[in-house]
Amino acid sequence: GAVVSQHPSRVICKSGTSVKIECRSLDFQATTMFWYRQFPKQSLMLMATSNEGSKATYEQGVEKDKFLINHASLTLSTLTVTSAHPEDSSFYICSARVRGGEKLFFGSGTQLSVL
Amino acid sequence: GENVGLHLPTLSVQEGDNSIINCAYSNSASDYFIWYKQESGKGPQFIIDIRSNMDKRQGQRVTVLLNKTVKHLSLQIAATQPGDSAVYFCAESPGAQKLVFGQGTRLTINP
Repeated sequence: GAVVSQHPSRVICKSGTSVKIECRSLDFQATTMFWYRQFPKQSLMLMATSNEGSKATYEQGVEKDKFLINHASLTLSTLTVTSAHPEDSSFYICSARVRGGEKLFFGSGTQLSVL
Repeated sequence: GENVGLHLPTLSVQEGDNSIINCAYSNSASDYFIWYKQESGKGPQFIIDIRSNMDKRQGQRVTVLLNKTVKHLSLQIAATQPGDSAVYFCAESPGAQKLVFGQGTRLTINP
């Protein structure tokens, strides 16, 4: 099956630093990738939709300058949390859609803790 | 607006019994629905999907039922096992690229 690799799985950083999270589709080309965040005991909230070679589309309320998304190739999308603050601490999950398909395949998530 | 919700936040069942997890959605334009399983600290795992032109689909030990009249989706798990303990999310696709998730139901299995 389709495999989405997300790295790192866990990161702890100081307030004010930036953190980059990578999402790779290992055995398929993903023209579209999605970034979600999930707070404890809550559902996944879509942050942005990332299309290869174009600018990401952000959901309402998500700061595009704070959550930088780059989708430079058909197998890699990155999310950079800039100037992270404790309120940015969350579980971030990426997903990818196979070209021409409907199913979304999810990465294993990144637990971000900002001190 | 888009709203996918669940009737029950938690569900406890005896091992070996059948589990039924329910989901209500509000967007009548949604034409594709998916159930995901999420274990603690992991990403969602695809279980089963169904298109709006169907009302039932079966997989291995799982069945999804779709009632478009009342905008209701359910996931049935047969002979529930300890490994089925997780949070289950329904998600809908309202014709656009994105997927909207419901609130989730935690399924716990009693021995």
